[in-house]
This record gives sequence, C-alpha cells and structure tokens, in this order.
Amino acid sequence: RKEVEQDPGPFNVPEGATVAFNCTYSNSASQSFFWYRQDCRKEPKLLMSVYSSGNEDGRFTAQLNRASQYISLLIRDSKLSDSATYLCVVNIGSGYSTLTFGKGTMLLVSP
Amino acid sequence: DAGVIQSPRHEVTEMGQEVTLRCKPISGHDYLFWYRQTMMRGLELLIYFNNNVPIDDSGMPEDRFSAKMPNASFSTLKIQPSEPRDSAVYFCASESQPPGQFFGPGTRLTVL
Repeated sequence: RKEVEQDPGPFNVPEGATVAFNCTYSNSASQSFFWYRQDCRKEPKLLMSVYSSGNEDGRFTAQLNRASQYISLLIRDSKLSDSATYLCVVNIGSGYSTLTFGKGTMLLVSP
Repeated sequence: DAGVIQSPRHEVTEMGQEVTLRCKPISGHDYLFWYRQTMMRGLELLIYFNNNVPIDDSGMPEDRFSAKMPNASFSTLKIQPSEPRDSAVYFCASESQPPGQFFGPGTRLTVL
C-alpha cells in the first residue's frame, strides 16, 4: 500500500462549483498533515495545514479523520485560478520535517 | 525576502557528465531539503539537513548522488556520473518552524 494515496483526477468543474478531494495515508502514527498546491511547471506551495478539529481558510476547508486515516480538502465557489494540482502531504517519519507527498489531484476549473 | 533560490533553472547535459545543482535557502531557516519530482514517482525526498548537518539521506538513490551544505546559506546536490534516468525536476526547500516547507523554483535536468 502506498504511504499517501490520492485520486490523480483530473477533476473538471465549472466556475462556482464546489469540489472535494480526499487523500488516504497508511501510517497511523502520522502527526502532521498539509495540503500543497502546485501550478503547472512551478514549485509546490503550502496551501494550508490540516488540524484535527478541521480548519477553514476562506473558500478552502480541510478536515482530518484519524480513525479512517484520510484527509479532505473542500473548495467552494471554484475560480479559474484554482486550476492546479493539489498535493496531500503527511509527516510519516520520526522527524517532524520528514514529509511524504502524494502524487497530487489535478483540478481544472472551466468558465 | 527573495525566497529559496536555485540555479541553474534548466540544465541539459550528456550521460556521464557531472551535474551540480545549487540552492540558497531562506535566511534564518535551519532545515534544508532536496527533492526530486518525476511524473512516475511524484515528489521524493532525497536528503535533508538541519543546521548544515545531513540528518537523513536514505532517499538518495545511489552513490552517484551526493549533497553538501558548507554553510547556512548554501547547499549543492551533485550527480556524478549522470544518467538519462536522472532526468527530473530537482527542488530545494527550506523550513524554520513548522508548518510547511518553502520550495525553490526547481532545476529542470535533462540527461541525454
């Protein structure tokens, strides 16, 4: 089983739609979780951390389910500029900075 | 702050040649990471440093790869000799306190 698994997509949605991505992780001892965004031919950029209680940043909501070992990202009112690949990231190693990246889910928002 | 700086941005070389990639982390960040990204394998951690000391190099694919961090503001990743299967985008990232690492723009390496 892969350490961090994501549906590669692409998810094709119209502007204004709500879209959700899920990600599963294999190591139950994982401590920290993040969503990164990567635009085509660019570097990954931190979108948001994922906290146990769930957290929201504007149109973006992240949730963690430790019992089922999955993380979700919800995007409301999609914009054209949200088109990107969204990487699920988990701290699996013993060190707090040992991050494992999923291969990403591609989102395409169309007019 | 200029962010993480990497050079070169693109490198095309022939099999067997030595390749050196360079990284300047964000000032004050005491963690530095080297990653490789390919379509097949995604983003893979190669090695990371804390306060210029290598902490975990288990991701380095083989002895052809080496990394150094002689001071807090500079790191290199060297491939000698290079092979076509090394073609990838190599990212450097730095971090101070969690959460999150800040990535440089990457070096796109093509080995012919």
